Amino acid sequence: EVQLVESGGGLIQPGESLRLSCAASGFIVSSYFMGWVRQAPGKRLEWVSTLYSDGTTHYADSVEGRFTISRDHSKNTLYLQMSSLRADDTAVYYCARELPVAGTYHYFDYWGQGTLVTVSS
Amino acid sequence: EIVLTQSPATLSLSPGERATLSCRASQSARTYLAWYQQKPGQAPRLLIYDVSNRAAGIPARFSGSGSGTDFTLTISSLEPEDFAVYYCQQRSNWPLTFGGGTKVEIK
Repeated sequence: EVQLVESGGGLIQPGESLRLSCAASGFIVSSYFMGWVRQAPGKRLEWVSTLYSDGTTHYADSVEGRFTISRDHSKNTLYLQMSSLRADDTAVYYCARELPVAGTYHYFDYWGQGTLVTVSS
Repeated sequence: EIVLTQSPATLSLSPGERATLSCRASQSARTYLAWYQQKPGQAPRLLIYDVSNRAAGIPARFSGSGSGTDFTLTISSLEPEDFAVYYCQQRSNWPLTFGGGTKVEIK
């Protein structure tokens, strides 16, 4: 059974850094395209970042240069390193696996339960 | 960036009724559009991808149509568990973007 479990969220001050983790089971993270999607309270979903199986990365403009997506094959875990955090980064952060249908990328078929990041002084 | 606009914002219907949700793109999303369902406190669930393909385990009462800039999600006969918020998402261009959502509520 595919499962994704995020951790690492919490209350953090503006300008500080935080690393989110997403532990996967039931599949091998490094063999799939994986992503992070966030949702500010009462707002729409916002794509944050994608990591391809070949290591290629994409970022939303709003996080480019501040956030880094990565994975650890030995731990079967996806990460999101966030730095220079701002109040508008406050959101529930979901990790998600992309639908593994040939030629059909960048839709998310499995999601974690989310971890809340609150950036406030 | 492709901006997705969903309408209506809220749809009030009774179980058994047909629901028709719209998603309009600011520029062509070709046929690269998906629909998700989200219930309070839960992660989104993929329903439809590439306009009309149902994801694994999704009932046949959910169907999608459209192309270019106008897309529709239809729920043929609402079941009690279908009352939720629905989001569209495009993968035609980076960045991936989502619509603002349509809440389907019980009338």
